Amino acid sequence: QVQLQESGPGLVKPSQTLSLTCTVSGGSISSGDSYWSWIRQHPGKGLEWIGYIYYSGTTYYNPSLNSRATISVDTSKNQFSLRLSSEAAADTAVYYCARVKEAGTRPYMDVWGKGTTVTVSS
Amino acid sequence: QSVLTQPPSVSGAPGQWVTISCTGSNSNIGAGYAVYWYQQLPGTAPKLLIYNNNNRPSGVPDRFSGSKSGTSASLTITGLQAEDEGDYHCQSYDNSLRAVVFGGGTKLTVL
Repeated sequence: QVQLQESGPGLVKPSQTLSLTCTVSGGSISSGDSYWSWIRQHPGKGLEWIGYIYYSGTTYYNPSLNSRATISVDTSKNQFSLRLSSEAAADTAVYYCARVKEAGTRPYMDVWGKGTTVTVSS
Repeated sequence: QSVLTQPPSVSGAPGQWVTISCTGSNSNIGAGYAVYWYQQLPGTAPKLLIYNNNNRPSGVPDRFSGSKSGTSASLTITGLQAEDEGDYHCQSYDNSLRAVVFGGGTKLTVL
């Protein structure tokens, strides 16, 4: 049973870069049958897709983030990471990592981490 | 403003049924992309409830069903139970935005 766990600072100052890591257990990030995604949820709001990555490093991002997001993968550690630049209060949210199935044609998230709250504040 | 439109809230009494709508456009649901539904119970992460329009992952009760027609989709929950209370999110893919898109979420209250 694949499980995902987010980790990273809960408080980030404005204009600093947010960095989060997702550790995958119970399965290999290099299995080849999945992509790996970051999604966030602003307080009291709906879900927002940030992007996803394949174990080879191929990435897809939400254009609405204006290239502020970078997702990378470390197959040796079975982890993938998110860096979000130019932090502002608008980036305060719960950040989730998730496994993506059928990314090529009909992407959806079938396994989610528990989420980690990031607050952007001075 | 979410790309997919859901009602902010729905409610129903235990044992009754409710339907949650998800309205998109010709660049997402209407273009033939599948619709997915996620259940988010209070204080927890979303959980996949329906995939490929009307399929349930193993372990999801058959009280939950999905449908799709044109540019819209619906989630129907029958035999409402108190533990169904939470938020429900629809999701698809938009080929104009080149992005995975979500609805704004619907809060289900079991009266």
